[in-house]
Amino acid sequence: QQQVKQSPQSLIVQKGGISIINCAYENTAFDYFPWYQQFPGKGPALLIAIRPDVSEKKEGRFTISFNKSAKQFSLHIMDSQPGDSATYFCAASNEGSYDKVIFGPGTSLSVIP
Amino acid sequence: DAGVTQSPTHLIKTRGQQVTLRCSPISGHKSVSWYQQVLGQGPQFIFQYYEKEERGRGNFPDRFSARQFPNYSSELNVNALLLGDSALYLCASSLEYNPGELFFGEGSRLTVL
Repeated sequence: QQQVKQSPQSLIVQKGGISIINCAYENTAFDYFPWYQQFPGKGPALLIAIRPDVSEKKEGRFTISFNKSAKQFSLHIMDSQPGDSATYFCAASNEGSYDKVIFGPGTSLSVIP
Repeated sequence: DAGVTQSPTHLIKTRGQQVTLRCSPISGHKSVSWYQQVLGQGPQFIFQYYEKEERGRGNFPDRFSARQFPNYSSELNVNALLLGDSALYLCASSLEYNPGELFFGEGSRLTVL
């Protein structure tokens, strides 16, 4: 019930295209859903996050879509650039209980020219 | 402002040895979490500390222990190292009112031979 599932495992997108990564969760107590970006040799860095009171959040080229009834959320990267090539992790936590953050297994994104 | 700092960055140990990893959080952050990231996988929660008290423990054996000091820095100790403990150990700090927003260090890469 604590697991966060993520797909696809890897993704290759052409420059200028849209990258889409999907995640699903089971624990309805989760109330904070962040996405982290990790470059090789670096620690993960928070990219964008959403709470379940909204269905969509956009920051620049990055958008989270959230479907509370389906317990699914996704990351869309518009106009993907080679610099976006990294590993992306969706995550979830129950902030109200100061609970740990659970990470998905990650998606390796490669944006090719 | 300095981010989360971890030391050492790389270390090599042999089976059965013990290791201590250190972490200094961002100034003003009172919560520290430790994660283990095996190559190709998402970070796995090990411990969370807040105000020097353990707030959460992941599914790791008792060989793993941690503590937080009055200045909010933290140490992770692993005893009786196994080959399977080889991983990137990540430390993250966060603010009390937004515990799901983790700020990660670059990690300590542990290799057990």
